[in-house]
Amino acid sequence: DAKTTQPPSMDCAEGRAANLPCNHSTISGNEYVYWYRQIHSQGPQYIIHGLKNNETNEMASLIITEDRKSSTLILPHATLRDTAVYYCIVRVAAQGAQKLVFGQGTRLTINP
Amino acid sequence: GAVVSQHPSWVICKSGTSVKIECRSLDFQATTMFWYRQFPKQSLMLMATSNEGSKATYEQGVEKDKFLINHASLTLSTLTVTSAHPEDSSFYICSARSGRAEQFFGPGTRLTVL
Repeated sequence: DAKTTQPPSMDCAEGRAANLPCNHSTISGNEYVYWYRQIHSQGPQYIIHGLKNNETNEMASLIITEDRKSSTLILPHATLRDTAVYYCIVRVAAQGAQKLVFGQGTRLTINP
Repeated sequence: GAVVSQHPSWVICKSGTSVKIECRSLDFQATTMFWYRQFPKQSLMLMATSNEGSKATYEQGVEKDKFLINHASLTLSTLTVTSAHPEDSSFYICSARSGRAEQFFGPGTRLTVL
């Protein structure tokens, strides 16, 4: 699976949009971009994933560049509860035991 | 999303004893379960992958005789830490997947070995 690069930490004011970048310059054509987050002392929570089109759900939006070498996770109106470590993972979503390999992620702190 | 539970949520044990951690998928059948370990201020590290009814596949560097994994049914996998030592103290997290669906994670089990 391709490797991802994320900033180690970010701060965002409550109520503002939080934009979390991720670089995946070696991504292959059949690899998806996944985002998970982990709130302190809890298991990771799935947020969103995409292949090449932008995606939106009730939690966030995922913007993938046209060359697919980078993406941005957008939390439109961040709340204090969004403080967590956010992981960007690239992997093939095919049959078989596809495992998720976690990098160091971005520690996002939402400030009041 | 689907619900995955773990039991116990935390455990303290003496060095040399064995500890069993359960992972259950509550509202779906998990054909594949994964076990992760997380040390403080570090990311999750995959330990092993197990498919129901077959032997687990361990990641490089993970001792299969020390971390026994059983995936006997489509809703239950267990991780047994045998002869636990203080360096095994960690946060153990399982995840479960049904077919090609997404992985859902349990809440984790904090193990402290005295």
